Amino acid sequence: EAGVVQSPRYKIIEKKQPVAFWCNPISGHNTLYWYLQNLGQGPELLIRYENEEAVDDSQLPKDRFSAERLKGVDSTLKIQPAELGDSAVYLCASSVTRGAGAFFGQGTRLTVV
Amino acid sequence: GDSVTQMEGPVTLSEEAFLTINCTYTATGYPSLFWYVQYPGEGLQLLLKATKADDKGSNKGFEATYRKETTSFHLEKGSVQVSDSAVYFCALYSGGSNYKLTFGKGTLLTVNP
Repeated sequence: EAGVVQSPRYKIIEKKQPVAFWCNPISGHNTLYWYLQNLGQGPELLIRYENEEAVDDSQLPKDRFSAERLKGVDSTLKIQPAELGDSAVYLCASSVTRGAGAFFGQGTRLTVV
Repeated sequence: GDSVTQMEGPVTLSEEAFLTINCTYTATGYPSLFWYVQYPGEGLQLLLKATKADDKGSNKGFEATYRKETTSFHLEKGSVQVSDSAVYFCALYSGGSNYKLTFGKGTLLTVNP
């Protein structure tokens, strides 16, 4: 069974430029998460989807961040414009039930210069 | 709100030493508890889980027991190997319909030969 796939693995952009990350969850997993992981910290939730509906986006900085999950499968997270403080690892995860835990992709390491 | 507190690292051990990484939590209801491991440059991997009080999760020689009375989920391994060097995260799923994984800050483990 294929795991959660994210792309790109690494991205370097100049500040004020836009950037987008893509995630393909495990087949059959209705719940999809985007997490932010700063260096030396645990992941923090940005947004959670149940199918195509964003049910928890309270931690998403909506002035510059946006996300979508068309057809309840793949998802895209966008930052526009990027700031220096956005440099971090962006993790996508999916799950089927609460008790099973969430399965993570390898993440996208973003560097804003 | 929900929170997870892990012992601060880094933890440095010699090969074959005994490992304990403490984890305590605060949550409403009856959360499910998890340990994740993150190897250098990789995403998070689910190591073990427990979904109710007194459950013991185990995998790859690691164990953790869900202690409701002390709100703890300490990770243990009887004999660590160099290959166990990684960052370990304790996490919980809060109750109800809030399928949100809340993470601790992580504990860096280094095992020397």
